[in-house]
Amino acid sequence: NAGVTQTPKFQVLKTGQSMTLQCAQDMNHEYMSWYRQDPGMGLRLIHYSVGAGITDQGEVPNGYNVSRSTTEDFPLRLLSAAPSQTSVYFCASSYSSSGGSNEQYFGPGTRLTVT
Amino acid sequence: GDSVTQMEGPVTLSEEAFLTINCTYTATGYPSLFWYVQYPGEGLQLLLKATKADDKGSNKGFEATYRKETTSFHLEKGSVQVSDSAVYFCALRGRTGNQFYFGTGTSLTVIP
Repeated sequence: NAGVTQTPKFQVLKTGQSMTLQCAQDMNHEYMSWYRQDPGMGLRLIHYSVGAGITDQGEVPNGYNVSRSTTEDFPLRLLSAAPSQTSVYFCASSYSSSGGSNEQYFGPGTRLTVT
Repeated sequence: GDSVTQMEGPVTLSEEAFLTINCTYTATGYPSLFWYVQYPGEGLQLLLKATKADDKGSNKGFEATYRKETTSFHLEKGSVQVSDSAVYFCALRGRTGNQFYFGTGTSLTVIP
């Protein structure tokens, strides 16, 4: 199993540009999520999905869109990049809550800089 | 709502010292509790977990016990190594619903 994969690893954007961060998992997990990690802020949830066709907002959804057309893929779209979106982005997946015991598996991250 | 509070860092220890990183939680019902570790430039990896009260999770010499009476899940290791230098995150997942809640992370540096 490749686990959770993310592309690209690094990206530099200019303000106003759009782009899509890719995330895929091969573990047949129902639950997928996107976080951003900023110094001193820990992990903040952007969007999540409990299955194909179902997405919902997390703590910091503004400026980001997601869709989930397949179980495997959960892309994150930045519509019009802003310097405040400079961050490290992590995708994660898990089996849906079965008494809450299932852990999340994380991708290696995408380091995004917006100038 | 559900939340996790963990000890602020950074923490600097000498090799072979004892480590404790405190974690307390607020949750409805009985969540599952997790410790994740993040090495520089990498994603988070599960270190250990406990899914019910009084469970002890352990891995690589690290241990944490799920204490319902004190709503805590403190991470301990008896003798740290330089290779343990990383950021440690405490997290919970409720019994219903799917979301995870993370603490802000504690950076550990172990010096030889």
